[in-house]
Amino acid sequence: NAGVTQTPKFRVLKTGQSMTLLCAQDMNHEYMYWYRQDPGMGLRLIHYSVGEGTTAKGEVPDGYNVSRLKKQNFLLGLESAAPSQTSVYFCASRYRARSEAFFGQGTRLTVV
Amino acid sequence: DQQVKQNSPSLSVQEGRISILNCDYTNSMFDYFLWYKKYPAEGPTFLISISSIKDKNEDGRFTVFLNKSAKHLSLHIVPSQPGDSAVYFCAATTMINTGNQFYFGTGTSLTVIP
Repeated sequence: NAGVTQTPKFRVLKTGQSMTLLCAQDMNHEYMYWYRQDPGMGLRLIHYSVGEGTTAKGEVPDGYNVSRLKKQNFLLGLESAAPSQTSVYFCASRYRARSEAFFGQGTRLTVV
Repeated sequence: DQQVKQNSPSLSVQEGRISILNCDYTNSMFDYFLWYKKYPAEGPTFLISISSIKDKNEDGRFTVFLNKSAKHLSLHIVPSQPGDSAVYFCAATTMINTGNQFYFGTGTSLTVIP
């Protein structure tokens, strides 16, 4: 049972490049989330999904897009990376409301 | 606007003593609270949770207390062990918002000194 798996673990991008972060969960969870963690800021929600085919904006959605074509996968896209998007990105999933979320191991992204 | 606040960025405690981590929230609609533990280069892992219908929840060495009138929760670790050294995040959620997303505090870095 892998839980929540994020790909890749590390990435360096040049300003203006694009990339997609993949999150896969094998727990049949309905809800999936993308967070970013920055020093002194805690975890901030970028986008989330309450089920296959649905997505919604979180607290800091600008510059990101997401898709949830399959229940087990939640993709986070950066169309034109900026240095302000240098961060550690965490994906999470949960089964239902009032349950804990399970996190992936994180993706450290540096935009130069 | 930070709806969940952890005002102590760091805490140092001697091994065997009690660690008390604090968290305040502003949104009175929050009805489910969680604590997560995070080691460097790893994702946060769930530690303990509490529903707003309770004021205390215990799990081994970890106890979470909720004071709804003060909008305050705390995590007690007794006795503290060196392996408890990590960053602790509190989180809150409400059934009102459609995504039931968590709102996280900024974290408290706990160091347990052997």
